[in-house]
Amino acid sequence: EAGVAQSPRYKIIEKRQSVAFWCNPISGHATLYWYQQILGQGPKLLIQFQNNGVVDDSQLPKDRFSAERLKGVDSTLKIQPAKLEDSAVYLCASSLDNLADSYEQYFGPGTRLTVT
Amino acid sequence: AQSVTQLDSHVSVSEGTPVLLRCNYSSSYSPSLFWYVQHPNKGLQLLLKYTSAATLVKGINGFEAEFKKSETSFHLTKPSAHMSDAAEYFCVVSSPFSGNTGKLIFGQGTTLQVKP
Repeated sequence: EAGVAQSPRYKIIEKRQSVAFWCNPISGHATLYWYQQILGQGPKLLIQFQNNGVVDDSQLPKDRFSAERLKGVDSTLKIQPAKLEDSAVYLCASSLDNLADSYEQYFGPGTRLTVT
Repeated sequence: AQSVTQLDSHVSVSEGTPVLLRCNYSSSYSPSLFWYVQHPNKGLQLLLKYTSAATLVKGINGFEAEFKKSETSFHLTKPSAHMSDAAEYFCVVSSPFSGNTGKLIFGQGTTLQVKP
């Protein structure tokens, strides 16, 4: 079974530029998550989709971050404009069903963003 | 509100000796608890999960954890450390009930160093 795919793996941009990350979840997984992991910290949920609808985006900085999941499969996360504090690893995860009692999420390798 | 506290930011053991990574949780509901491992430049991998079944949970690679409700703890152990166990470990809590979306709350992480 193929895992969660993310691209690019690494990205370096200057502040005030824009950047986009792509995620392809495990086939058949209805729920998709984007996390931000700042160096030395645990991942923090940014946004959660159930199929193509947003379930939780309470911690997404909506003035600069946006995400979409068209057709309920792939997802993109965009930052515009980027700030220095956005430097982090952006992780995508997917799960089969968020009503299951285990909430087991499968993570992709992440995209490491450096903002200079 | 839910939270996890990993009591040690860094643990160092010698190869072949026992591993203990400590985690305390706070949850208003019966929690689901997880341990994830993150090797450098690799995605997060689920080690084990507790979902209100047996309180002693066995995971991959010889790891296990015991859920102790009276102590609100979920410590991770392994009888004998291997060099390949060196990584970052995250204790994670989630509550699947009362309308919660299954959001994962990560601890700050514990870096496990294994010395030869």
